[in-house]
Amino acid sequence: AQTVTQSQPEMSVQEAETVTLSCTYDTSENNYYLFWYKQPPSRQMILVIRQEAYKQQNATENRFSVNFQKAAKSFSLKISDSQLGDTAMYFCAFMNLTSGSARQLTFGSGTQLTVLP
Amino acid sequence: DAGVTQSPTHLIKTRGQQVTLRCSPKSGHDTVSWYQQALGQGPQFIFQYYEEEERQRGNFPDRFSGHQFPNYSSELNVNALLLGDSALYLCASSLAAIRKLFFGSGTQLSVL
Repeated sequence: AQTVTQSQPEMSVQEAETVTLSCTYDTSENNYYLFWYKQPPSRQMILVIRQEAYKQQNATENRFSVNFQKAAKSFSLKISDSQLGDTAMYFCAFMNLTSGSARQLTFGSGTQLTVLP
Repeated sequence: DAGVTQSPTHLIKTRGQQVTLRCSPKSGHDTVSWYQQALGQGPQFIFQYYEEEERQRGNFPDRFSGHQFPNYSSELNVNALLLGDSALYLCASSLAAIRKLFFGSGTQLSVL
């Protein structure tokens, strides 16, 4: 079984500044994906960024980037030039890609990020 | 192109009752997964449907059951409701071969 841990229940950042959200995971698998999802007050879970475990290069999507440390089982999210619309709950999630698995997501407990004007 | 749609958005039930939640997947998607998100927690996997069959199930009792229809839409049924079943129920759809899930806005279930 996999576990995902987010140790920062709440964080805040000034608009236009940079913030990093932490995530660690535990698995014995080698083939997996890692995700960061954003859940604003509308409750819809929105995919922010995805990282394939076999890729050494860190994923980047505009202002969002990750620091993926496979040996340390660490997967942090960096948000640059923070905007008020980034205020949301952020979830780290794991997907096992082993043959026969159901492609289910295992989520962490989330980090509530507030961007201050 | 409509995304994942769920109905109803809110629901209030009493203990012991039964409830049915509905989900229409994103156009072209053939796989539907259901998640339960308790207040202040991350979503927990309930089960996944593909080709009208339950493909995998999380750690949920048999009171939770589902169905997938030929048009890929899905229902989640919960029998004998408990207070602890109060949560946001999220539906996610995907293509079986693609590791990318799209979520709906959820159904907020309150059990009194």
